[in-house]
Amino acid sequence: DAGVIQSPRHEVTEMGQEVTLRCKPISGHNSLFWYRQTMMRGLELLIYFNNNVPIDDSGMPEDRFSAKMPNASFSTLKIQPSEPRDSAVYFCASSSYTLQGLQETQYFGPGTRLLVL
Amino acid sequence: KNQVEQSPQSLIILEGKNCTLQCNYTVSPFSNLRWYKQDTGRGPVSLTIMTFSENTKSNGRYTATLDADTKQSSLHITASQLSDSASYICVVRPTGGYNKLIFGAGTRLAVHP
Repeated sequence: DAGVIQSPRHEVTEMGQEVTLRCKPISGHNSLFWYRQTMMRGLELLIYFNNNVPIDDSGMPEDRFSAKMPNASFSTLKIQPSEPRDSAVYFCASSSYTLQGLQETQYFGPGTRLLVL
Repeated sequence: KNQVEQSPQSLIILEGKNCTLQCNYTVSPFSNLRWYKQDTGRGPVSLTIMTFSENTKSNGRYTATLDADTKQSSLHITASQLSDSASYICVVRPTGGYNKLIFGAGTRLAVHP
C-alpha cells in the first residue's frame, strides 16, 4: 500500500489566493483527519470524517476553511482567501475505526507545507 | 481540561548514549497512550501504544513505560543512532467518543556523532 497520499507537497501562494490541499487515504480506511502543525501550537485537529461524513469540524479556524470528502478515496481542504497566518504544515491521516477498535492507528501522510506570503 | 505535556522541549545527545523523554497528561479516563516519531519533513509514525492497564511496551531500542496512577509516561531510547534524530510526540486518546487524540507538543531530539 502506498500509504496516505497528499498533494501538493509544497505550496507557496500570495495572500488572498485560494489554496486547495488534496488527500487520498489508505484504501479501506473509513476515517480521515485533517491536521495543522505549527511550531507554536503543535498538531491541531481541524476536521474529522467518518464514512465520508464530517463528524467534528470544531477545529476549523474560521469560515475561510472548508473541507470535503466526496468519496472514500479523496478529500480536499480549501482555504479561501488565504492569509499569512495560515502558513503551516497540513497533514492528512486515515484510520480504520470501529466502535470496538480502541487501538486503531492513525496513519499520517507526508504533509503539505504551505507558505502564504 | 485534557492536556498532554512533554519534557524536555529539546535534547541533544551523543550517538550511542541512552535518553529518556517524559510525558505527563491530565486526560482521564483514557483508552490508550501512544508515542509517535516524526522525522523532519515527514508525518508522524506510531512507535508504541499502551492501554491504561499496561506498564511497558518495547519496539526495538524504544521502550515506553506508563504509570496510570501518576499519569506519566516515558520513552527510553537505548544506544541512540543518528537516525533517532526526530521529534517524539506523546498522544493520548480519551475514553469514549470517536478517535480524537490529544497531542503533546513533542520533544525534539538531536543525536550527534
